[in-house]
Amino acid sequence: EAQVTQNPRYLITVTGKKLTVTCSQNMNHEYMSWYRQDPGLGLRQIYYSMNVEVTDKGDVPEGYKVSRKEKRNFPLILESPSPNQTSLYFCASFDFQEAFFGQGTRLTVV
Amino acid sequence: GENVEQHPSTLSVQEGDSAVIKCTYSDSASNYFPWYKQELGKGPQLIIDIRSNVGEKKDQRIAVTLNKTAKHFSLHITETQPEDSAVYFCAASTDRGSTLGRLYFGRGTQLTVWP
Repeated sequence: EAQVTQNPRYLITVTGKKLTVTCSQNMNHEYMSWYRQDPGLGLRQIYYSMNVEVTDKGDVPEGYKVSRKEKRNFPLILESPSPNQTSLYFCASFDFQEAFFGQGTRLTVV
Repeated sequence: GENVEQHPSTLSVQEGDSAVIKCTYSDSASNYFPWYKQELGKGPQLIIDIRSNVGEKKDQRIAVTLNKTAKHFSLHITETQPEDSAVYFCAASTDRGSTLGRLYFGRGTQLTVWP
């Protein structure tokens, strides 16, 4: 079954404690992206990757890092999380026609 | 970059009525316009899309229309059902042939269908 898998689904952490949200896809897609979803603001792109070792900033990259060492995985790294990064995060991978989204990660930074 | 505006932000309809969600875009180079539906607790899923070489596309109870001159496109849902209740996102992109260009999303519309 074609899918994008994010982990964890829910995470509560404290300010400043580094965390990684993993994302994996099994569709051999080259293009992957991270979004955050906040009430009234819709889906805002954080980072995207057009292929292995090729990443670029989206609209709201501050405070985030990504890596793309292999095609299937695209982790999102928060080196020093802050409360304003409390949000719902989605990973997506893309083919020619469509974006396939993961189930989301609900992150709370206290 | 592209700017996609979506209205309304919330929409409540009675079961069986029609619902219309409208979007505008700013970049005349955009040529691909998908609509995504996000059910509670899930990621968005593609429900219908349209490319700039057509003006309308239908799939059962949903349809999308595109006016390139005015740079706006709309989602129409007829005979709404409670399971249509969800957040709907419009998006715009430049279809570059072998790859899908960056997707620019609207802010979403929360549709509620009352039984």
